[in-house]
Amino acid sequence: QSALTQPASVSGSPGQSITISCTGTSSDVGSYNLVSWYQQHPGKAPKLMIYEVSKRPSGVSNRFSGSKSGNTASLTISGLQAEDEADYYCCSYAGSSTWVVFGGGTKLTVL
Amino acid sequence: QVQLQESGPGLVKPSETLSLTCAVSGYSISSGYYWGWIRQPPGKGLEWIGSIYHSGSTYYNPSLKSRVTISVDTSKNQFSLKLSSVTAADTAVYYCARVVGRDAFDIWGQGTMVTVSS
Repeated sequence: QSALTQPASVSGSPGQSITISCTGTSSDVGSYNLVSWYQQHPGKAPKLMIYEVSKRPSGVSNRFSGSKSGNTASLTISGLQAEDEADYYCCSYAGSSTWVVFGGGTKLTVL
Repeated sequence: QVQLQESGPGLVKPSETLSLTCAVSGYSISSGYYWGWIRQPPGKGLEWIGSIYHSGSTYYNPSLKSRVTISVDTSKNQFSLKLSSVTAADTAVYYCARVVGRDAFDIWGQGTMVTVSS
């Protein structure tokens, strides 16, 4: 059982927008603006897409955006493209005892 | 550019110690950043194992803490993972990564598959 809860799967058609939620607690997501999101294609290493809740690393499309409200963080992908089909993981800092926790992952299917 | 490369045995016997090394190129570990290990069992999600600061301070997943040791060798520009008393549940792809802040793994190695089996 993962510390952060994500939906197992989401889907959308090309051009649409989708949102993936990541629910934690007041000990992790709710306490720190240190939430990151990763995209992982089959057989590949994860790729950082969002850090510090809403910041995009250089080279990441502006179709990817992040936000947070209370204990829940969200990743939104707009203008869905076939290449966005992948697994997505959220991650949060959880304080000096636990340090880092991941979500269980969400499989995005582009219809 | 910064690159990370994991190396180590692909097969480890139960009850033995898994040892992996992550060689860093294009950046000096001693200059800063945290450096971390993450694993992914076949068909499952990511699990953070632990992170080490360039100075040597370590932070471990509480569920693995009793079995994990992460160390850094700045002279070789690499950091290492040791996981003791392994079982089949430790079978996974093991990734090393650079950490921005505390939770943002921005550069990853390609990953190395480690199987625990007799």
